[in-house]
Amino acid sequence: ILNVEQSPQSLHVQEGDSTNFTCSFPSSNFYALHWYRWETAKSPEALFVMTLNGDEKKKGRISATLNTKEGYSYLYIKGSQPEDSATYLCAFDQAGTALIFGKGTTLSVSS
Amino acid sequence: GAVVSQHPSWVICKSGTSVKIECRSLDFQATTMFWYRQFPKQSLMLMATSNEGSKATYEQGVEKDKFLINHASLTLSTLTVTSAHPEDSSFYICSARAGSQQFFGPGTRLTVL
Repeated sequence: ILNVEQSPQSLHVQEGDSTNFTCSFPSSNFYALHWYRWETAKSPEALFVMTLNGDEKKKGRISATLNTKEGYSYLYIKGSQPEDSATYLCAFDQAGTALIFGKGTTLSVSS
Repeated sequence: GAVVSQHPSWVICKSGTSVKIECRSLDFQATTMFWYRQFPKQSLMLMATSNEGSKATYEQGVEKDKFLINHASLTLSTLTVTSAHPEDSSFYICSARAGSQQFFGPGTRLTVL
């Protein structure tokens, strides 16, 4: 059974703090690693699709890194804002078909 | 990014009734759509892969006769929960792949009384 683990499960930070989450995934048969941002009652929003070992992607204050050999990815948020509050999901893409999800990290940012 | 809609967003039904959930790709065509389910405090779990013009493929443990999937066009897949029971109460969400990305609908909260 393929397992995707995310940590921490939840996180509460103050506005302006920087934070990071971890996603670990199987290191074999890797195709891609997806990060999503999911707010309640909305569709999960695609943040990054990462495919290459050592890849680093950035979108505004959010960035992500990828290590396919050891099977982990980090998501970083610099200078957290209240609007960053959401659940962040990572998903392992083994063969370009369906995704295997972690349980997510729920971030709460206080102003 | 591409947009996927899902309807209804929530539904409450009586035990024994059937419920249909629609998933539409609004601005792109999708030969393949995916149906996931999420129970409380659990991850999104793939239920089935919906293929346009052919039978869906179901994950182990998902009853194909209970969860009927129809993918009659390149923009619409439907999931029908037949003879729903309280244990089917869950959050159902669909997705469609466009290029290297997968785009999700907003999900449907099903409560079976």
